[in-house]
Amino acid sequence: KNQVEQSPQSLIILEGKNCTLQCNYTVSPFSNLRWYKQDTGRGPVSLTIMTFSENTKSNGRYTATLDADTKQSSLHITASQLSDSASYICVVSAEKGGGNKLTFGTGTQLKVEL
Amino acid sequence: DAGITQSPRHKVTETGTPVTLRCHQTENHRYMYWYRQDPGHGLRLIHYSYGVKDTDKGEVSDGYSVSRSKTEDFLLTLESATSSQTSVYFCAIKGVGEVGYTFGSGTRLTVV
Repeated sequence: KNQVEQSPQSLIILEGKNCTLQCNYTVSPFSNLRWYKQDTGRGPVSLTIMTFSENTKSNGRYTATLDADTKQSSLHITASQLSDSASYICVVSAEKGGGNKLTFGTGTQLKVEL
Repeated sequence: DAGITQSPRHKVTETGTPVTLRCHQTENHRYMYWYRQDPGHGLRLIHYSYGVKDTDKGEVSDGYSVSRSKTEDFLLTLESATSSQTSVYFCAIKGVGEVGYTFGSGTRLTVV
């Protein structure tokens, strides 16, 4: 069964600090991995998408890494801001030709405090 | 979210009543999806559509039906709502390449 596990489940950090969120997956056949940010009461919004051949991808203060051998990904947030408070969801795709076979993690709830 | 809207945003209904949620897109995308989000679970696929009148079941489709009579609209119907269907429902559309999936803002449904 395809699974995506995220850690930690929740995290509190001070504004300006960095943090790293983890994602382990057992999805086959692997197509790509996405990180989403979900603000309270809103739908998930895409941060990054990574394919098998990509090791690192950045989007502003967000940097995602992918190790396809160990089936692990991380999302690093630099110089956190209060607006980074949200749930971060790791999503792994096994889709082929457009059919939808996304497996979602349960998310890491991040709170950034003053 | 740009290009995709869900209605209503909130709804409270009684057990046993039918409920229809609407998803509308302005992007002319072929693929549309309905998910539910519950505490302790990742988003789970209910149904999806790959074109007008073309739909298929997801992993949690029991008790739900869908219809797509136009490219822009994808309806989710709870035939006879139960308390276990209390959830937040998200619609999504699939763009091309790295655009990926765009989600609506969700519908919070409470079945009492």
